[in-house]
Parts: sequence; structure tokens; C-alpha cells
Amino acid sequence: EDQVTQSPEALRLQEGESSSLNCSYTVSGLRGLFWYRQDPGKGPEFLFTLYSAGEEKEKERLKATLTKKESFLHITAPKPEDSATYLCAVHKHTGFQKLVFGTGTRLLVSP
Amino acid sequence: EAQVTQNPRYLITVTGKKLTVTCSQNMNHEYMSWYRQDPGLGLRQIYYSMNVEVTDKGDVPEGYKVSRKEKRNFPLILESPSPNQTSLYFCASSFGTNTEAFFGQGTRLTVV
Repeated sequence: EDQVTQSPEALRLQEGESSSLNCSYTVSGLRGLFWYRQDPGKGPEFLFTLYSAGEEKEKERLKATLTKKESFLHITAPKPEDSATYLCAVHKHTGFQKLVFGTGTRLLVSP
Repeated sequence: EAQVTQNPRYLITVTGKKLTVTCSQNMNHEYMSWYRQDPGLGLRQIYYSMNVEVTDKGDVPEGYKVSRKEKRNFPLILESPSPNQTSLYFCASSFGTNTEAFFGQGTRLTVV
């Protein structure tokens, strides 16, 4: 069965304290892995798409990497405004954008 | 501004009273989807549409209907809502089958 597991469920960091969020997946025929950010009361906002193992993408303090079994979202020197829930989703090979989402990691960055 | 607009944002209704949640996008996207988000379960796809008059079931379609008569609109219909449909609903659209999805602001539905 297709599954996406994110860890940890919640993470509390001090401002400037770097860390990584994990997204492990078991899905046949991966077409892409997506990272989204979701603020309370809002819809998910797109961050990155990774298509093949070894691929990396960066945006400001965020860097996403992909292996054959998992993806990491590295947060370097986070700021309080990085506090949000980070969602990982995988797109299967069959069917239109069959996205399977993880349950997310709630990140809180304290000043 | 490129956006996906859902209405209403909040809705409290009673069991069995038909309701429609509207969704509209202004990006000329062909692909649109509906998701529900529940604590501990994440986002689950209800229905999706690949183009006008082309729709198909997602993972949790029971109790829901959709229609796609125009490219920009994709309403979600609950013909006889039940309390287990209390949830946070999101509409999303995308340009291609494997491209980023743009999400609406969400509709928080409570069925009593």
C-alpha cells in the first residue's frame, strides 16, 4: 500500500538552530515528490518538486533532497517566520496527480 | 493575482441539508481536485477533474459529488451531509499532471 510517513510530528527549534525534517515513502512508480508549507487556517503553499534520486533544490533557508526511499527538508538557521506545518506528498506513476500526502511536521521556531 | 477561491470559508449545517462548496481558479488550469484534511489523517483526495466534463473518484469519494461544466469552476456537492463529513476542505488546481498544485484557502465545514 502506498504510504508517506513524516517525522517528527512536531519540532521545536530556537532561532538559528538548524535541523532536518524527514519524509519516507513507499509508493510504486514515483513520478515526483512535493513539499508544501501550510500556515494555520490557510491552504498549502508549494515549496519544491523533486523528480529523481539525488536531486536537490534550495529556496532561502530551505533545501530539499531526495533518495529512493526518503526526502529531507533541511532548514538552515531558521527564523520565527519559518514556523508552519510542512507537508510532503508523492505523485504516483499511474493516474492524474494522484497525490498521497503525509500528515506533516509542525515546526515552531522560537526567538 | 493567480488564485484559487473557495466559498464559503466557514459553514455550519445540519444533517441531511444539501450544500455546495464552490471553487474557482483564474489560471486556466485543466486539472482540479478536492481534498479533505482531518487531524492525524492528512490530506485525502475526494475527486479530481482532468478537464471540462471529465471527473473521477479519489480516495474518499463516498457522500460527495462534483461537476465540471466550466474550466474555471469545480464545485463540491454534499447532497445529504452527515457528521462524519465535518472536516476542512481544500480545492486545488494545477497546470499539468505532475506540476505544483495551487490550493484554495479552505472551507471549514461542521455538520451537526
